[in-house]
Parts: sequence; structure tokens; C-alpha cells
Amino acid sequence: ETGVTQSPTHLIKTRGQQVTLRCSSQSGHNTVSWYQQALGQGPQFIFQYYREEENGRGNFPPRFSGLQFPNYSSELNVNALELDDSALYLCASRLDGPSTDTQYFGPGTRLTVL
Amino acid sequence: SQQGEEDPQALSIQEGENATMNCSYKTSINNLQWYRQNSGRGLVHLILIRSNEREKHSGRLRVTLDTSKKSSSLLITASRAADTASYFCATDQMGSARQLTFGSGTQLTVLP
Repeated sequence: ETGVTQSPTHLIKTRGQQVTLRCSSQSGHNTVSWYQQALGQGPQFIFQYYREEENGRGNFPPRFSGLQFPNYSSELNVNALELDDSALYLCASRLDGPSTDTQYFGPGTRLTVL
Repeated sequence: SQQGEEDPQALSIQEGENATMNCSYKTSINNLQWYRQNSGRGLVHLILIRSNEREKHSGRLRVTLDTSKKSSSLLITASRAADTASYFCATDQMGSARQLTFGSGTQLTVLP
């Protein structure tokens, strides 16, 4: 167990809808990242938050947005869902510092867009 | 985009044998990490090797890193059926916001 939790476990939405996924970081971790993993592929970086500010973003459109809260929990919001958004969404947390490179992943949220 | 590429894409071995997976990447890195994933579940961190390290061990795992060839290998010795999973390498690239760039993974099947 990594101490990182995500909710919900599974979610089914229809095209055009909006979705919010949640992540609770490991205690003391101040950095959270979100990844999208399509079936049969490796995870792809969406964005990262450090102390409630976005400080890195992958090649994802603006309809993917996020929040990080003072207690280091986090949300991923996706607007105007498309069929290709169907994937496993993973969050990962770490403590930002010179020797803290390991990221700890949650179990993921499986999103299906119909 | 995928930076790391694992080789082979799939590997099937007998219990007790060793499994070797390779990873190649394209840009300079701070470190390289290996993760395991069981059946589309969360990623489990296995081992991290920094760019100034050449070899690292953790239990039955041995990782090597050759920065001149931009490649890494993961060796699992005395494999068990429970090692059946997908294995991913992930690079922490220099100059990035410390995000990880993953390869497409190696599916390892260990037959009892």
C-alpha cells in the first residue's frame, strides 16, 4: 500500500459530460501528479501540482484541469468528455526535495466514456 | 509521447528462471525508475537508479543503467508466478518538472 487513495474506482460517463476524479496524497507529500493510461499503453503525464500551483503540464488540452487543496488532496476535472478519454487515471504523490524522487501511485480510477 | 521503450513487449518464462527487460530512452535524465503493474491496477514502485549510478540491487531485482547508450535493464532472478505483471521503465528527465515519462511496458508471464 502506498498511502495514496483515489475515488471513485470506476466511472461511466457519456460523451460531452464532465467528470471529477479525486486523489488523496500520502501524508506529508506536497506534490501530486496525474497520469492517463490508455489500454495497453504506458501512463502519460497530464499535469503536476506543487503547493496548490500547477508547475508542469503534458500534452493535454485545457479541458483537462486540476486543483490541489491545502491538505494536499487533489482533483482532476475533465470537461466535454470524448470517447478517447476512456482510460485509467492515476495520481502520484511525492515530497518535493533534493533526494525525494520516488513517486507513489494510487490504484487509479477507470473511466469509461460511452 | 513515450520516451522509454521497453524490450521485449512480452516475455514468457518458467518459474525459477531469470527475466530480463530492457529500456531505452532519448534524452538526458535525472534518474530512471522501474514500476510494476498488475492487471490495470496502480503502479508499484520497484527501484530507482540515479544518473550517476551504474547498478543497483533490491532483493531479487538488479537494475543497470548505461547513460552513454541511454539504456537500462531490469533483471528479476528466480522468478515466481506472482511476478506476472506489466513492467514499465520511467525516466525523470533533466529540466522537467520532475514528471515521469513512461515506456509502453513489458508484459511478463511466469508459468508455474
